[in-house]
Amino acid sequence: AQSVTQPDIHITVSEGASLELRCNYSYGATPYLFWYVQSPGQGLQLLLKYFSGDTLVQGIKGFEAEFKRSQSSFNLRKPSVHWSDAAEYFCAVGAHHQGAQKLVFGQGTRLTINP
Amino acid sequence: EPEVTQTPSHQVTQMGQEVILRCVPISNHLYFYWYRQILGQKVEFLVSFYNNEISEKSEIFDDQFSVERPDGSNFTLKIRSTKLEDSAMYFCASRYGIPNQPQHFGDGTRLSIL
Repeated sequence: AQSVTQPDIHITVSEGASLELRCNYSYGATPYLFWYVQSPGQGLQLLLKYFSGDTLVQGIKGFEAEFKRSQSSFNLRKPSVHWSDAAEYFCAVGAHHQGAQKLVFGQGTRLTINP
Repeated sequence: EPEVTQTPSHQVTQMGQEVILRCVPISNHLYFYWYRQILGQKVEFLVSFYNNEISEKSEIFDDQFSVERPDGSNFTLKIRSTKLEDSAMYFCASRYGIPNQPQHFGDGTRLSIL
């Protein structure tokens, strides 16, 4: 069965510091991988996606993620965080079934930014 | 940019009552989904819907749940007889028809069962 693990429940970084959020997945085929962000009281906003091709993908708000098949990982990075990046971040894998592609989410990582 | 819209934003219901959560997916999307997030837990898949029928459903989606696309724009989730454990945030999502397109989510409906 498909699964996603986000090992860090909560991360605190200082504004301007670099950020890396970890994500490991388990999926039998070539995965579709996603990072979503959820601000308090808001829905899930897509940050970036990987379907195929270049393993380093760029997203919105200056985020990027790298797909490493050998490590079954899809870590999210940002070189310099801003206070507005404080939110919950979810990694997800798209599991295919008759084209419908349900998402299997990780537990989420809550990001706190220190001023 | 087109959005998925969900109503109401917050629904309070007595246990045992029926509740209908409503969603308007993005207009040219073909796949529709419901997910839920119990407070403090991960987002969980409930059901996917395509071509007017359920494509896949999870173990959570038992006989108390149903989905419907009653017209060309709305997509609804009905819980027939609510339980306390149905209290959660429910998210609707939609996706365009080709495989390499992501799901777009609404802001969710917070369902509180008393």
